[in-house]
Amino acid sequence: EAQLLESGGGLVQPGGSLTLSCAASGFTFKSYAMAWVRQAPGKGLEWLSRISGSGGSTFYADSAQGRFTISRDNSNNTVFLQMTSLRAEDTAVYYCAKFGISAYAMEVWGQGSTVTVSS
Amino acid sequence: QVVLTQSPSASASLGASVKLTCTLSSGHRSYSIAWHQVQPQRGPRFLMKLNSDGSHSRGDGIPDRFSGASSGTERYLTISNLQSEDEADYYCQTWATNTGVFGGGTKLTVL
Repeated sequence: EAQLLESGGGLVQPGGSLTLSCAASGFTFKSYAMAWVRQAPGKGLEWLSRISGSGGSTFYADSAQGRFTISRDNSNNTVFLQMTSLRAEDTAVYYCAKFGISAYAMEVWGQGSTVTVSS
Repeated sequence: QVVLTQSPSASASLGASVKLTCTLSSGHRSYSIAWHQVQPQRGPRFLMKLNSDGSHSRGDGIPDRFSGASSGTERYLTISNLQSEDEADYYCQTWATNTGVFGGGTKLTVL
Protein backbone atom coordinates (compact mmCIF):
# COMPACT_ATOMS: atom_id res chain seq x y z
CA GLU A 1 0.00 0.00 0.00
CA ALA A 2 1.39 3.37 -1.01
CA GLN A 3 1.95 5.73 1.90
CA LEU A 4 3.27 9.25 2.27
CA LEU A 5 4.42 10.84 5.53
CA GLU A 6 5.20 14.55 5.74
CA SER A 7 7.43 16.15 8.34
CA GLY A 8 9.23 19.41 9.00
CA GLY A 9 6.35 21.76 9.68
CA GLY A 10 6.26 24.18 12.56
CA LEU A 11 6.23 27.81 13.61
CA VAL A 12 8.45 30.18 11.65
CA GLN A 13 8.80 33.94 11.68
CA PRO A 14 7.87 36.05 8.67
CA GLY A 15 10.77 36.13 6.25
CA GLY A 16 12.06 32.82 7.53
CA SER A 17 12.67 29.52 5.81
CA LEU A 18 11.51 25.96 6.29
CA THR A 19 11.98 22.67 4.49
CA LEU A 20 9.26 20.05 4.40
CA SER A 21 9.99 16.39 3.74
CA CYS A 22 7.71 13.64 2.51
CA ALA A 23 8.80 10.04 2.96
CA ALA A 24 7.24 7.59 0.54
CA SER A 25 6.77 3.85 0.84
CA GLY A 26 4.86 1.02 -0.79
CA PHE A 27 5.53 1.91 -4.43
CA THR A 28 8.38 2.40 -6.90
CA PHE A 29 9.07 5.99 -5.95
CA LYS A 30 11.24 6.98 -8.90
CA SER A 31 8.49 6.03 -11.37
CA TYR A 32 5.98 8.64 -10.26
CA ALA A 33 5.66 12.38 -10.30
CA MET A 34 5.04 13.99 -6.92
CA ALA A 35 3.36 17.21 -5.85
CA TRP A 36 2.92 19.59 -2.94
CA VAL A 37 -0.50 21.04 -2.19
CA ARG A 38 -1.60 23.27 0.67
CA GLN A 39 -4.80 24.24 2.41
CA ALA A 40 -4.89 27.51 4.31
CA PRO A 41 -7.36 27.83 7.20
CA GLY A 42 -10.90 28.04 5.85
CA LYS A 43 -9.70 27.86 2.24
CA GLY A 44 -9.64 25.28 -0.51
CA LEU A 45 -6.87 23.09 -1.84
CA GLU A 46 -4.09 24.91 -3.69
CA TRP A 47 -1.54 23.15 -5.89
CA LEU A 48 2.00 24.46 -5.33
CA SER A 49 4.53 22.38 -7.21
CA ARG A 50 5.17 19.17 -9.11
CA ILE A 51 8.33 17.19 -9.84
CA SER A 52 8.79 14.41 -12.37
CA GLY A 53 9.89 10.93 -11.38
CA SER A 54 13.49 11.56 -12.42
CA GLY A 55 13.50 15.00 -10.84
CA GLY A 56 14.42 16.55 -14.16
CA SER A 57 11.23 18.54 -14.59
CA THR A 58 9.66 20.85 -12.04
CA PHE A 59 6.60 23.08 -12.17
CA TYR A 60 5.37 25.79 -9.84
CA ALA A 61 2.23 27.74 -9.16
CA ASP A 62 2.62 31.51 -9.32
CA SER A 63 2.31 31.64 -5.52
CA ALA A 64 5.34 29.35 -5.16
CA GLN A 65 7.51 30.46 -8.05
CA GLY A 66 10.74 32.05 -6.89
CA ARG A 67 10.25 31.29 -3.18
CA PHE A 68 9.66 27.54 -3.05
CA THR A 69 11.85 24.77 -4.47
CA ILE A 70 10.76 21.18 -4.96
CA SER A 71 13.31 18.38 -5.11
CA ARG A 72 13.52 14.65 -4.58
CA ASP A 73 15.96 11.99 -3.45
CA ASN A 74 15.08 8.79 -5.26
CA SER A 75 17.67 6.86 -3.26
CA ASN A 76 15.78 7.61 -0.07
CA ASN A 77 12.25 7.80 -1.47
CA THR A 78 11.76 11.35 -0.26
CA VAL A 79 10.44 14.56 -1.79
CA PHE A 80 11.18 17.98 -0.34
CA LEU A 81 9.74 21.47 -0.43
CA GLN A 82 12.14 24.24 0.50
CA MET A 83 10.28 27.40 1.41
CA THR A 84 11.92 30.81 1.80
CA SER A 85 10.74 34.37 2.45
CA LEU A 86 7.71 33.00 4.23
CA ARG A 87 4.69 35.23 4.77
CA ALA A 88 1.69 35.04 7.04
CA GLU A 89 -0.42 33.96 4.07
CA ASP A 90 1.74 30.84 3.71
CA THR A 91 0.22 29.54 6.93
CA ALA A 92 -1.45 26.29 5.93
CA VAL A 93 -1.43 22.54 6.12
CA TYR A 94 0.96 21.26 3.47
CA TYR A 95 0.33 17.91 1.81
CA CYS A 96 2.45 15.85 -0.49
CA ALA A 97 0.71 13.78 -3.12
CA LYS A 98 1.62 11.09 -5.61
CA PHE A 99 0.46 11.26 -9.18
CA GLY A 100 -0.72 8.07 -10.81
CA ILE A 101 0.32 6.57 -14.12
CA SER A 102 -2.31 8.73 -15.79
CA ALA A 103 -0.18 11.72 -14.74
CA TYR A 104 -3.11 14.07 -14.18
CA ALA A 105 -4.64 12.67 -10.98
CA MET A 106 -3.16 12.88 -7.51
CA GLU A 107 -3.93 9.38 -6.29
CA VAL A 108 -2.26 9.15 -2.89
CA TRP A 109 -2.08 11.83 -0.20
CA GLY A 110 -0.05 12.28 2.94
CA GLN A 111 -1.59 13.28 6.27
CA GLY A 112 -0.23 16.82 6.10
CA SER A 113 2.26 19.01 7.95
CA THR A 114 1.22 22.30 9.52
CA VAL A 115 3.21 25.45 8.83
CA THR A 116 2.46 28.57 10.83
CA VAL A 117 4.12 31.84 9.85
CA SER A 118 3.87 34.30 12.71
CA SER A 119 6.00 36.56 14.84
CA GLN B 1 -5.95 27.99 -18.82
CA VAL B 2 -8.29 25.32 -17.50
CA VAL B 3 -10.72 26.45 -14.80
CA LEU B 4 -12.81 24.05 -12.71
CA THR B 5 -16.03 25.46 -11.25
CA GLN B 6 -17.96 23.89 -8.38
CA SER B 7 -21.01 24.99 -6.43
CA PRO B 8 -19.97 26.07 -2.92
CA SER B 9 -22.47 23.90 -1.09
CA ALA B 10 -24.88 21.00 -1.36
CA SER B 11 -27.06 19.08 1.03
CA ALA B 12 -29.02 15.85 1.09
CA SER B 13 -30.61 13.56 3.63
CA LEU B 14 -29.11 10.51 5.26
CA GLY B 15 -29.67 7.51 3.00
CA ALA B 16 -30.46 9.64 -0.06
CA SER B 17 -28.30 10.35 -3.11
CA VAL B 18 -26.56 13.55 -4.12
CA LYS B 19 -24.89 14.63 -7.36
CA LEU B 20 -22.01 17.09 -7.24
CA THR B 21 -20.90 18.91 -10.37
CA CYS B 22 -17.53 20.14 -11.60
CA THR B 23 -17.64 22.26 -14.75
CA LEU B 24 -14.62 22.58 -17.02
CA SER B 25 -14.01 25.89 -18.72
CA SER B 26 -15.08 26.24 -22.32
CA GLY B 27 -12.90 24.40 -24.81
CA HIS B 28 -11.72 21.78 -22.35
CA ARG B 29 -14.44 19.15 -22.64
CA SER B 30 -11.95 16.35 -23.33
CA TYR B 31 -10.20 16.67 -20.00
CA SER B 32 -10.21 13.95 -17.37
CA ILE B 33 -10.46 14.94 -13.74
CA ALA B 34 -10.03 13.45 -10.30
CA TRP B 35 -12.40 13.77 -7.35
CA HIS B 36 -11.08 14.16 -3.80
CA GLN B 37 -12.78 14.20 -0.40
CA VAL B 38 -11.61 16.27 2.57
CA GLN B 39 -13.33 15.33 5.81
CA PRO B 40 -13.24 17.72 8.79
CA GLN B 41 -9.83 17.70 10.48
CA ARG B 42 -8.52 15.13 8.02
CA GLY B 43 -6.36 15.22 4.94
CA PRO B 44 -7.57 14.74 1.38
CA ARG B 45 -8.58 11.33 0.13
CA PHE B 46 -8.54 10.39 -3.56
CA LEU B 47 -11.94 9.12 -4.63
CA MET B 48 -11.75 8.47 -8.36
CA LYS B 49 -10.49 9.37 -11.78
CA LEU B 50 -13.18 10.38 -14.27
CA ASN B 51 -12.81 10.52 -18.04
CA SER B 52 -14.75 12.61 -20.54
CA ASP B 53 -16.69 9.54 -21.67
CA GLY B 54 -17.88 8.89 -18.12
CA SER B 55 -15.63 5.92 -17.48
CA HIS B 56 -14.14 6.10 -14.03
CA SER B 57 -11.93 4.18 -11.63
CA ARG B 58 -12.24 4.47 -7.89
CA GLY B 59 -9.32 4.67 -5.51
CA ASP B 60 -8.38 1.82 -3.21
CA GLY B 61 -11.07 1.14 -0.64
CA ILE B 62 -13.58 3.61 -2.05
CA PRO B 63 -17.05 2.06 -1.89
CA ASP B 64 -19.20 1.76 -4.98
CA ARG B 65 -21.63 4.23 -3.40
CA PHE B 66 -19.33 6.76 -5.09
CA SER B 67 -19.73 6.92 -8.86
CA GLY B 68 -18.85 9.30 -11.66
CA ALA B 69 -20.35 10.47 -14.92
CA SER B 70 -19.60 13.07 -17.59
CA SER B 71 -21.57 15.20 -20.02
CA GLY B 72 -19.85 17.79 -22.19
CA THR B 73 -17.83 20.02 -19.90
CA GLU B 74 -19.50 18.70 -16.77
CA ARG B 75 -18.07 16.05 -14.51
CA TYR B 76 -20.28 14.54 -11.85
CA LEU B 77 -19.74 12.77 -8.57
CA THR B 78 -22.77 10.89 -7.28
CA ILE B 79 -22.86 9.58 -3.74
CA SER B 80 -25.62 7.08 -3.03
CA ASN B 81 -27.00 5.95 0.30
CA LEU B 82 -25.49 8.95 2.05
CA GLN B 83 -23.79 8.26 5.36
CA SER B 84 -22.93 10.74 8.08
CA GLU B 85 -19.23 10.32 7.31
CA ASP B 86 -19.83 11.58 3.77
CA GLU B 87 -20.25 15.09 5.20
CA ALA B 88 -17.09 16.68 3.83
CA ASP B 89 -15.66 18.99 1.22
CA TYR B 90 -15.33 17.59 -2.28
CA TYR B 91 -12.81 18.89 -4.82
CA CYS B 92 -12.29 18.19 -8.48
CA GLN B 93 -8.73 18.38 -9.82
CA THR B 94 -6.84 18.07 -13.07
CA TRP B 95 -3.49 18.85 -14.67
CA ALA B 96 -3.22 21.14 -17.67
CA THR B 97 -0.47 23.12 -19.35
CA ASN B 98 2.07 22.29 -16.65
CA THR B 99 -0.29 23.50 -13.93
CA GLY B 100 -2.24 21.72 -11.24
CA VAL B 101 -5.85 22.89 -11.04
CA PHE B 102 -8.40 22.45 -8.26
CA GLY B 103 -12.02 23.47 -8.23
CA GLY B 104 -13.13 25.68 -5.37
CA GLY B 105 -14.73 22.74 -3.59
CA THR B 106 -18.28 21.82 -2.59
CA LYS B 107 -19.21 21.54 1.06
CA LEU B 108 -21.64 18.64 1.42
CA THR B 109 -23.99 18.62 4.40
CA VAL B 110 -25.78 15.40 5.28
CA LEU B 111 -29.13 16.23 6.87
